[in-house]
Parts: sequence; C-alpha cells; structure tokens
Amino acid sequence: DSGVTQTPKHLITATGQRVTLRCSPRSGDLSVYWYQQSLDQGLQFLIQYYNGEERAKGNILERFSAQQFPDLHSELNLSSLELGDSALYFCASSVDSSGRYNEQFFGPGTRLTVL
Amino acid sequence: ILNVEQSPQSLHVQEGDSTNFTCSFPSSNFYALHWYRWETAKSPEALFVMTLNGDEKKKGRISATLNTKEGYSYLYIKGSQPEDSATYLCAFLTGNQFYFGTGTSLTVIP
Repeated sequence: DSGVTQTPKHLITATGQRVTLRCSPRSGDLSVYWYQQSLDQGLQFLIQYYNGEERAKGNILERFSAQQFPDLHSELNLSSLELGDSALYFCASSVDSSGRYNEQFFGPGTRLTVL
Repeated sequence: ILNVEQSPQSLHVQEGDSTNFTCSFPSSNFYALHWYRWETAKSPEALFVMTLNGDEKKKGRISATLNTKEGYSYLYIKGSQPEDSATYLCAFLTGNQFYFGTGTSLTVIP
C-alpha cells in the first residue's frame, strides 16, 4: 500500500458524459501527478500540481482539467468523453515539486470505460 | 514528443540467472531518470531516482547505473527470483515533464 488513494476504482460511463476522478496523496506529500495508460500506449503524463498550484502540463487534452484543493487532494475532470478516453488513470504523489530527487508513489488507479 | 526506449521488450530467464535491461533517452536537457517495478494488477512501485552522470544505485539484488552523456541507464537483477517477475519501467524527466518507456517485461521461470 503506497498511501495514495484513488476513487472510484472503476467507472463506466457513456460518450459525451463528464466524470471526476479523485486522488488523495500520501501524508506529507505536496505534489500530485496524473497519468493515463491507454491499451495501446504506455504511461502518459497529464499534469502535475504542487501545493495547490499547477506545476507542469503534459499531454492533457483541453476537455480534461484538474485541480488540487487546500487539503492537497486532487481531482481530474474529464468531459465530453469519447471512446478513446477509456484508460487506466493513475495519480502519484511526491514530497517535492521538481520530480528530480524524490520517488513518486502511485495510487491503485481508476479504470474508466467509456461506452 | 521525446522518445524513451527500453530493451528488450520482454525477457524470460531461469531462476538464479542474472539479467539486465536498458533504458535509452535523449542525452540533452537531462533532469532525472526514475525506475519503477510494475507487477500485474498492481500500480508502479518506485525503485530508483537517478540524477547524476555515473550514478549507481542498489536495492537488494537490483542495481542501476546511469550515463547521461550517452543517454542510457542499465537495470541489473542478480540471481533472479520468481517474485522479480514484473514489468520494469523507466521514466525520463526533462524540464518538468516525465516521459515513460514502454517497459521490459521480465518473467523468471522457477
């Protein structure tokens, strides 16, 4: 158990809908990272928040957005869902902002299925 | 999009064998390299964070080396055990973005 929690574990929804994935980092970690793993691709970095502020942006679609709240939990919002958004979404947390010196701890993931 | 390559894609070894695999990444704008172990139906687990050229890190039977000038890192497993069976992922950090390889899938045959 990494100490990072993600809810829900599974989510099944229809095209065009909007969903919210939630992540609670390990106690003491200020950074939250979001990743997507599709069937035909490796892990793709989406976005990072550090202490409530957006720190880095990767291959995140405009239909997706995220935020980190004062209690440091983070939410990833996915809207106008398409079939291709079906994937496993991981969040990870780390104590530092840069990713250079400290390991990331991954949550168990949320499996999103868009029908 | 940067290219992070891992080889081989998969590997089958006998229990007790030692093995190694490679992560290749761009040699410019290097910030850090992370190695992860990813077992089926679980989430990635951090092994090493490497930042300096020539870094060598070790955790039990697993070790890693880093060459940032030529853009590669090796992961070594000494005396493989069935519980080492997993996918080993590397992630290259440049600027503030992570780029993951597709992993090396290791199967250790008892």
